[in-house]
Amino acid sequence: DIVMTQTPLSSPVTLGQPASISCRSSQSLVHSDGNTSLSWLQQRPGQPPRLLIYEISNRFSGVPDRFSGSGAGTDFTLKISRVEAEDVGVYYCTQATQFPLTFGGGTKVEIK
Amino acid sequence: QVQLVESGGGVVQPGGSLRLSCAASGFTFSSYGMHWVRQAPGKGLEWVSFIRYDGSNKYYADSVKGRFTISRDNSKNTLYLQMNSLRADDTAVYYCAKSCCGGSCYCDYWGQGTLVTVSS
Repeated sequence: DIVMTQTPLSSPVTLGQPASISCRSSQSLVHSDGNTSLSWLQQRPGQPPRLLIYEISNRFSGVPDRFSGSGAGTDFTLKISRVEAEDVGVYYCTQATQFPLTFGGGTKVEIK
Repeated sequence: QVQLVESGGGVVQPGGSLRLSCAASGFTFSSYGMHWVRQAPGKGLEWVSFIRYDGSNKYYADSVKGRFTISRDNSKNTLYLQMNSLRADDTAVYYCAKSCCGGSCYCDYWGQGTLVTVSS
């Protein structure tokens, strides 16, 4: 199984300041078709997960442009350029390159 | 808009069975693969199972293989998860999630989830 490791576990951030979350996979996520199925999910308190970023860097419909994704191979990053109160929650990276799909352990973004 | 509504959760004794349903709307259900993902209380996300758009291929996490069965009825736009021989560690919120394509790829829409509690 592909192990997804996220850091940090928790990220206290001042409103309006940036936040960055790292995700590392135990093996390359490049699929045989050339795509890299690495996505980022946001889970606000008491809510289901919501897709933010797919295929490393593509923002999903309705996602604010303060969210951005980058990376390649086994190392990936989610950045929030200016954290807003509504961004509080847990963020997960996930891979769908091979079964079983796996998720990072989650990073809790909270306001200082 | 895409809607996924899970139902069928509840309290069940260890060794018991439950069948979860996920009613889909707002997209052509028969064209997309579907996943089940669960989240134990206070824990992270765990993928459970996947079914291709036409039901031709199914995949399971090792933790549920042989006990859970995923299926779909494209005429009813509904996804199912039959759960047998339930154990305490199956206690979780179960989410259905739409795959971005007919096969397996990232999950682009998620339901609200249904809580399954396995307890005597």
